[in-house]
Amino acid sequence: EAGVAQSPRYKIIEKRQSVAFWCNPISGHATLYWYQQILGQGPKLLIQFQNNGVVDDSQLPKDRFSAERLKGVDSTLKIQPAKLEDSAVYLCASSLGDWEGNYGYTFGSGTRLTVV
Amino acid sequence: QKEVEQNSGPLSVPEGAIASLNCTYSDRGSQSFFWYRQYSGKSPELIMFIYSNGDKEDGRFTAQLNKASQYVSLLIRDSQPSDSATYLCALAADRGSTLGRLYFGRGTQLTVWP
Repeated sequence: EAGVAQSPRYKIIEKRQSVAFWCNPISGHATLYWYQQILGQGPKLLIQFQNNGVVDDSQLPKDRFSAERLKGVDSTLKIQPAKLEDSAVYLCASSLGDWEGNYGYTFGSGTRLTVV
Repeated sequence: QKEVEQNSGPLSVPEGAIASLNCTYSDRGSQSFFWYRQYSGKSPELIMFIYSNGDKEDGRFTAQLNKASQYVSLLIRDSQPSDSATYLCALAADRGSTLGRLYFGRGTQLTVWP
């Protein structure tokens, strides 16, 4: 099966500009996650979707970050305006969402954002 | 909030040795644990999961779980230079609306020298 697709792979923007990331999950996966990984740290969940509804966005800086998952498939994550501390890798992952056995999930290749 | 602590290292071992990576966690009710490997500039890759006390072996990798001590470890036998990476410990939210969410430690950087 095809993996989780993300684009772009890299993005460099100036602070206060806006940027958007795209994620296409594995076909049929109901749950989609966006994680932020700052250099030297482990990934931190930003937002979790179940189909097209938000399950958890408690760690999402809502004054500047937004995310949507239209039709319960693809998802976009937007930052507006960007700050220097937003420089990180943004990882997307998906899972079936039925936790019969918790086998973890696969991440996409990520988008590396540099804010200058 | 579920805390996951890892010794950030770096850990350096010679080729052929056993590398031991350790992780502790704060939530006594946690059930599912994962080890991810992350090469520089790449996304994390799942290498092991464990949810029963004791050992789980997969090739050169052995995960160990001790729920009473809230401790998870990963042993890499016959370490190879290709094992050089950052190893991330994670636990999963097992119930409720955030089912599946992973909580990660900071990772331990492992270097295997020839």
